[in-house]
Amino acid sequence: EIVMTQSPATLSVSPGERATLSCRASQSVSSNLAWYQQKPGQAPRLLIYGASTRATGIPARFSGSGSGTEFTLTISSLQSEDFAVYYCQQYNNWPPNTFGQGTKLEIK
Amino acid sequence: QLQLQESGPGLVKPSETLSLTCTVSGGSISSSSYYWGWIRQPPGKGLEWIGSIYYSGSTYYNPSLKSRVTISVDTSKNQFSLKLSSVTAADTAVYYCARHRGIAVAGTGYYYMDVWGKGTTVTVSS
Repeated sequence: EIVMTQSPATLSVSPGERATLSCRASQSVSSNLAWYQQKPGQAPRLLIYGASTRATGIPARFSGSGSGTEFTLTISSLQSEDFAVYYCQQYNNWPPNTFGQGTKLEIK
Repeated sequence: QLQLQESGPGLVKPSETLSLTCTVSGGSISSSSYYWGWIRQPPGKGLEWIGSIYYSGSTYYNPSLKSRVTISVDTSKNQFSLKLSSVTAADTAVYYCARHRGIAVAGTGYYYMDVWGKGTTVTVSS
């Protein structure tokens, strides 16, 4: 099973600033990596798939990069609605699909 | 617009079987492009993929749960279902159903979850 490790566990950033979230895989997952956003009491929402392709309706301030074992989600200018928990998920070697433990993005 | 809705008991006794159904509306579960699956989230914790099914009935399960999990599909009702047997308190979680979208390359599929249900809370307690 591939283990996904996200860092940091919590990230404090001011609105308008840039946020950079990291995700590392225990072995190569090629570009088969997705990012999800989850707000309290809500289901996760797909942001990025294929490591760098934005899902339908996702604002351009969200961008993904990386391949192999190292991935990054960047939010270029944080809006109030962006403060949430973010999960990465690999779908290259499955079953099982595996998720990272999440990064909580909070207002500084 | 595709929507998924989970339904089932919110309380299950230890050692019994948890049963949930996901109803798909706004699209056909029989589409050849997708798998359909279940993910759960214990209180205050992260996401765990449980398994997925194709409309033909082909299934994939998380090895950690495989001995207790059955996922089935009813194309006539546009629904798929989850059964988890011999539950314990550790199975208490929000259970989500989700459409799995992706591609198949050289016989291997690569699927992420692009549409999710709102989730249903299941508590295991006597």
